[in-house]
Amino acid sequence: EIVMTQFPATLSVSPGERATLSCRASQSIDIRLAWYQQKPGQAPRLLIYGASTRATGIPARFSGSGSGTEFTLTISSLQSEDFALYYCQQYDNRPPLTFGGGTKVQIK
Amino acid sequence: QLQLQEAGPGLVKPSETLSLTCSVSGGSISSGRYYWGWIRQPPGKGLEWIGSIFYTGSAYYGPSLESRVTMSVDASKNQFSLILSSVTATDTAVYFCASQAGDANNWYYFDFWGQGILVSVSS
Repeated sequence: EIVMTQFPATLSVSPGERATLSCRASQSIDIRLAWYQQKPGQAPRLLIYGASTRATGIPARFSGSGSGTEFTLTISSLQSEDFALYYCQQYDNRPPLTFGGGTKVQIK
Repeated sequence: QLQLQEAGPGLVKPSETLSLTCSVSGGSISSGRYYWGWIRQPPGKGLEWIGSIFYTGSAYYGPSLESRVTMSVDASKNQFSLILSSVTATDTAVYFCASQAGDANNWYYFDFWGQGILVSVSS
């Protein structure tokens, strides 16, 4: 099983500042990585797939990078609606699919 | 775009069987362009993949639940289902269904999600 580790667990950021979230895979997954945003009481929303491709309708302030085992989600200038939980997920062709434990982005 | 909606009981007794269905609209469950997945989230915790199924019936399950899980597809109703047997309190969670981009040889990310259904296991 590929273990996904996200850090930090909590990130305190002021509106307008940059947020950098990290995700590490226990073995190489090439670019088979997705990022999701989840707000309280809602389903996760796909932000990024293929490590760096924004999903339809996702603002350009969200960007993803990385390959192999190290990945980053960057929010260039945090808006009020961006304070939420963020999960990474690997989709290697060998099951199981696994999610990271999540990073909570909160207002500083 | 696809829309998904979970349905099922919100309360299940310990040792009994949890059954959920997911209705898909906006596309055919037999299109061959998606796997269909179930993911759960215990209260206050992270996401856990339960399993994914292709319209042909080919299914893959997470190791922690594999012995208790069965997934199926009903193309005539454009629905897919989850059965989880012998439930305990630790199975209390919000259960999400989702479409997973893919084909017969590859699967990818979860692009469309249902709103989720809270299932509590309690006597």
